Amino acid sequence: QKEVEQDPGPLSVPEGAIVSLNCTYSNSAFQYFMWYRQYSRKGPELLMYTYSSGNKEDGRFTAQVDKSSKYISLFIRDSQPSDSATYLCAMSAGGYQKVTFGTGTKLQVIP
Amino acid sequence: EAQVTQNPRYLITVTGKKLTVTCSQNMNHEYMSWYRQDPGLGLRQIYYSMNVEVTDKGDVPEGYKVSRKEKRNFPLILESPSPNQTSLYFCASSPRQGINEQFFGPGTRLTVL
Repeated sequence: QKEVEQDPGPLSVPEGAIVSLNCTYSNSAFQYFMWYRQYSRKGPELLMYTYSSGNKEDGRFTAQVDKSSKYISLFIRDSQPSDSATYLCAMSAGGYQKVTFGTGTKLQVIP
Repeated sequence: EAQVTQNPRYLITVTGKKLTVTCSQNMNHEYMSWYRQDPGLGLRQIYYSMNVEVTDKGDVPEGYKVSRKEKRNFPLILESPSPNQTSLYFCASSPRQGINEQFFGPGTRLTVL
């Protein structure tokens, strides 16, 4: 079993839809949770970063962490064609501990 | 402009021919790392470095070498490349206190024939 599981998609939605992206994990030591966005032929870029449980909002993006269920989510409101990318979840126990990435979910927002 | 650069961006080579992929960052970051990205397997860490002359293995270090002689540079060396090292490689860096917020380079697509 992988430490981090992520549905690879692809996920195709119409413009304006609410998108929900999810990851599950097995390592209870994870405390830092990140979402990276990767456009085609580019390196990943950090989108959201949360510590421990709870919600964090940044514009159209909301990250949720439920440590009791070992489940994290990224919601995108009013999705735009420019949101079309692969979204990678990533987790770490913190400090100098390694970062473990999910395999990524490919999202396509159709105009 | 703050950035991580990698060279070359694309490389086709043959089995056994030594190669080096360079990585450089201009943000004075202490932590640097190499990943490979393969379909269905995601990003897997090859090696990382917490500072000059300090390196350690990641999840998939076999067949790779690294060195960190200067803070800004972290080259990845394939002494005898094999076809199973065909992949997309990313270098990343982060500041000491923000180790989890990594800045990625543009990637190097390597094909080993």
